[in-house]
Amino acid sequence: QQQVKQSPQSLIVQKGGISIINCAYENTAFDYFPWYQQFPGKGPALLIAIRPDVSEKKEGRFTISFNKSAKQFSLHIMDSQPGDSATYFCAASYPGAQKLVFGQGTRLTINP
Amino acid sequence: DSGVTQTPKHLITATGQRVTLRCSPRSGDLSVYWYQQSLDQGLQFLIHYYNGEERAKGNILERFSAQQFPDLHSELNLSSLELGDSALYFCASSPTGVRSNTEAFFGQGTRLTVV
Repeated sequence: QQQVKQSPQSLIVQKGGISIINCAYENTAFDYFPWYQQFPGKGPALLIAIRPDVSEKKEGRFTISFNKSAKQFSLHIMDSQPGDSATYFCAASYPGAQKLVFGQGTRLTINP
Repeated sequence: DSGVTQTPKHLITATGQRVTLRCSPRSGDLSVYWYQQSLDQGLQFLIHYYNGEERAKGNILERFSAQQFPDLHSELNLSSLELGDSALYFCASSPTGVRSNTEAFFGQGTRLTVV
């Protein structure tokens, strides 16, 4: 119940295309769903986060879509750029969890 | 720069040895988290300290231990090292530990190679 399942493991998208990464969870107590971006040799950095009281959050080219009934959330990267090539992690947490539970990560490659 | 400092950046050591990884959290952050990142396991939560007290333990081996000092820096001690302990070890900090919607800031990690 503590797991967050992320797919796909790797993704190749052409420049200008839409990148979509999906995550699913079981624990209905989760109430915070961040996405982290990690470049090689760097630590993960928060990209965007959502709480389950909204179905969508957009920041620039990055959008989180949240489906509470399906217990799924996804990251959409519009107009994908080569600089977006990185590993993306979804995560989840709940009050008192004292930690973030991470998905397995998606290695995104944007071809120029 | 996240403001979280981890030292050393790289560490190569032999099996059976003991190492200490150090983390300085962002100024004012009371919570420190340790994560292990290996190729096939993703980011695995090890342990969380809040203001010097252990708050949560994840899949941390008995050979591993951690502590948070009064100045809030933290150390992760890994002993009797095995080849399988080779991984990236990340420290993250956040202002609080009890609320779930608080951003965690990650350091750049320590790459441990056990030979």
